[in-house]
Amino acid sequence: GENVEQHPSTLSVQEGDSAVIKCTYSDSASNYFPWYKQELGKGPQLIIDIRSNVGEKKDQRIAVTLNKTAKHFSLHITETQPEDSAVYFCAASEGFQKLVFGTGTRLLVSP
Amino acid sequence: GAVVSQHPSRVICKSGTSVKIECRSLDFQATTMFWYRQFPKQSLMLMATSNEGSKATYEQGVEKDKFLINHASLTLSTLTVTSAHPEDSSFYICSARGTDPATNEKLFFGSGTQLSVL
Repeated sequence: GENVEQHPSTLSVQEGDSAVIKCTYSDSASNYFPWYKQELGKGPQLIIDIRSNVGEKKDQRIAVTLNKTAKHFSLHITETQPEDSAVYFCAASEGFQKLVFGTGTRLLVSP
Repeated sequence: GAVVSQHPSRVICKSGTSVKIECRSLDFQATTMFWYRQFPKQSLMLMATSNEGSKATYEQGVEKDKFLINHASLTLSTLTVTSAHPEDSSFYICSARGTDPATNEKLFFGSGTQLSVL
């Protein structure tokens, strides 16, 4: 089955800096790669996703890149703000069914 | 956007009792709902997949008789933790996939239920 690894587990940046979180997956059949933001005591919130037919996708300060050959994808957050502080999860699935989540990255943005 | 409502948000119960958690898609119909479990500072682990009108499919290691899942309509799925024990204490989260083009290519998550078994 699919296995998703995520790094780093914690990331501390200063406000205004960029943050990058990386994930690798094992199943070449996976073709859907969403990123979720989870705040304490809440459910995950989808922030951006990408499909395997696209190499990069951007939405304002957030971007995701995908390298199918290497089986890795990354989340890029520019101009970070304190409200970006949360736990971020990557995930992978074949189609839009069973998502396999990474282990999470705790992002702390200091003012 | 599509909203998934999950209730209750927090429940405390005594060991041996059963607890029901509801997951509703408020503005879309969901053919498939997923139930996840999350321990503190850990990732989400899929417990089961439920399709409307059929039996749920459980992941390996998840006891189907302990975690009863019902998906009786296109907008409601329930998870019942039977004979709960302290080790069942966890954060339970549901997600839903819709039927129309706007909602069937993403998964929308509920806000989660924190279960504490005394």
